Amino acid sequence: KQEVTQIPAALSVPEGENLVLNCSFTDSAIYNLQWFRQDPGKGLTSLLLIQSSQREQTSGRLNASLDKSSGRSTLYIAASQPGDSATYLCAVKAAGNKLTFGGGTRVLVKP
Amino acid sequence: ETGVTQSPTHLIKTRGQQVTLRCSSQSGHNTVSWYQQALGQGPQFIFQYYREEENGRGNFPPRFSGLQFPNYSSELNVNALELDDSALYLCASSDAGLANTGELFFGEGSRLTVL
Repeated sequence: KQEVTQIPAALSVPEGENLVLNCSFTDSAIYNLQWFRQDPGKGLTSLLLIQSSQREQTSGRLNASLDKSSGRSTLYIAASQPGDSATYLCAVKAAGNKLTFGGGTRVLVKP
Repeated sequence: ETGVTQSPTHLIKTRGQQVTLRCSSQSGHNTVSWYQQALGQGPQFIFQYYREEENGRGNFPPRFSGLQFPNYSSELNVNALELDDSALYLCASSDAGLANTGELFFGEGSRLTVL
C-alpha cells in the first residue's frame, strides 16, 4: 500500500528565504507526482507535475525534483513571499488514475 | 476553457440525513474522481467515474455512491450521514486519453458539516 509522507508538517520562514519542502513515498511504482497548493478552505491548485521518467520540473520560482528510486521529491520555492503562505501537498499517481496524498506542509512566510 | 466547478460550496446537514454534491468537469475531460479531505489532513480517494461507470474505489463504505452523466458531470451521494463525514469534498477531472500520465485538476470543493 502506497504511503506518502511530508515533513515538516509546518514551516515558518522570513520573506526572501528559499523554501524546501520534502515528500517521500513508499512504493516507487508510480506514473507521476504532482505538487499542489491549497489556501485555507479552498480547493487544490496544481503547481507542478513530474512524470516518472523525469528528474525535475520548473515553473517560475518553483522547482520540483523527483528521485523515484529513493522515493523522494523536493519542492523548492525561491525568494519566498508572504503570498506563498499556504499548505503544499504532494500526491503520487499509481495504476488506476488514483492519487495518494501526503498530509501537507503548512507554510508561513513572514514579512 | 472552463475549470472544474462544484456545488454547493457549503452545506450543513444533521446525522442520518442524505446529501448530494455536484461536479462539472473541465472542458474536454471525461474522467471524474472524488476525494474527501478532513480538516488538517490530505485528501483521500473515494472513487472515480469513466464512461458513466465507477472504475476505481477507495476505502469508503457503500453509503458513498456516485453517478456520472453523458456530459461527464458527476454527483457524489452520501446516505445516513455520520459526524465523521464532515469534510471538504473535492472533485477532480482528467482526460482518460492521457492514461496514467495525465494531470488531475481540482475544483474548489464542497464543505460539508454534519451536526
